[in-house]
Parts: sequence; structure tokens; C-alpha cells
Amino acid sequence: GAVVSQHPSWVICKSGTSVKIECRSLDFQATTMFWYRQFPKQSLMLMATSNEGSKATYEQGVEKDKFLINHASLTLSTLTVTSAHPEDSSFYICSARRLAESTDTQYFGPGTRLTVL
Amino acid sequence: LAKTTQPISMDSYEGQEVNITCSHNNIATNDYITWYQQFPSQGPRFIIQGYKTKVTNEVASLFIPADRKSSTLSLPRVSLSDTAVYYCLVEDETGGYNKLIFGAGTRLAVHP
Repeated sequence: GAVVSQHPSWVICKSGTSVKIECRSLDFQATTMFWYRQFPKQSLMLMATSNEGSKATYEQGVEKDKFLINHASLTLSTLTVTSAHPEDSSFYICSARRLAESTDTQYFGPGTRLTVL
Repeated sequence: LAKTTQPISMDSYEGQEVNITCSHNNIATNDYITWYQQFPSQGPRFIIQGYKTKVTNEVASLFIPADRKSSTLSLPRVSLSDTAVYYCLVEDETGGYNKLIFGAGTRLAVHP
């Protein structure tokens, strides 16, 4: 159990276009999902927290109008990179918080490689 | 900033036991400690989680002393496929909600 999927696994787009990335919890419900980005040889950087039925909470320095997050159901969150530019090229990873009896655990998706030409 | 500190890198050989220690001096009373493994171009994979003393599963053991200011991930008899980055994490409650802030992690290289 505790499987998180992302779609697409990779995407190449032209500068100025928008790209949508989906994150799904396949076998559990997740009221909270998280979006990270990771540049080569670096650690994961938290971008925002996605809460089902409410607005996302963005980390300092992350543009909410550029990175649109929607968490429409307990198993799906989407990240839309609007007007993408080459500097947005990165590895985007989502995670979903699984509620357990004594602790919450985050499970991560496989990541989406975005390349903006 | 991450709430944890761990060595940047470690080297080992196949068949050896590897212990990676993480410091979390400011851990809160109700915080759990979670370890993840990450291979290149993949999302982090959950390894183990604990609160105190010792936790063991099919892939690793986690040792947590009484003061909980540190923890040690133990990987028995590593193989080449254990070469990866290992992250020790404690939830951050800044801003009124829980989230994971990643540090640099420990880059483990297992040699033949």
C-alpha cells in the first residue's frame, strides 16, 4: 500500500506554454499533499502544501501565480507551471500524507522531469 | 532550514553494515523521525520511521536514544544497489502546519 503516482513522468515544452502535472494517491486518501522541486545534485525543496478543498500554502519565494496548485479530491492534486521558462526546468516531486493511527507519514511520487526549451 | 544534520557522504563495501547518524537537537515531544532513500531521477522512498528506542523492518533498523536528539539508521550487509542518498527528517511545524524540510542528506557509495 501507500502508492503515489505522477503523470506525466517527463515532459518537454516550449517556453511560454503551461504544463500540468498530476499527483495521485492510489490506495489511500490524502487530505494533504506536497509539491517539491529538485535541481541536479541538490536536495528537495518544498514549494507548497496542497490541502483538499482549500487554497494551497506556498513557501517563501515561490510564486503562487506561476505555480498553480489544485487539490480537488482526496486522491488528486495538480501543479500547473504557467508560462514556463527554461529556468523552470527541474524535477518536480509530489508527496501525499497518509494518516495512520499514531503518526502521519508522507509517501512520494516517482517525480516528473520538466524540460522547457 | 532543515531540523536535521547528517554527514554529507559515506563510503562502504558490499556486505558491510552501514550506520548513518542524524542529529535533531530541537526535536519536539511529539515528532517522529523518518528516513527516506532516493535514487537519481526518482522520488524518495520511505525506509523506516520511529519515535524512540529501536525499530526494525525488513530493510533497516533505526536506533533512537532516550533523549531523542539523534538517531542512527542501520543498513545490514549493504549491496551495490544501496548506493543512494539517505535523508533523515523530522517534521517542521513552522507556520502552523506540519511539513518536511529536506537537508542535504547523506550520499552513500557502496563499492565492490
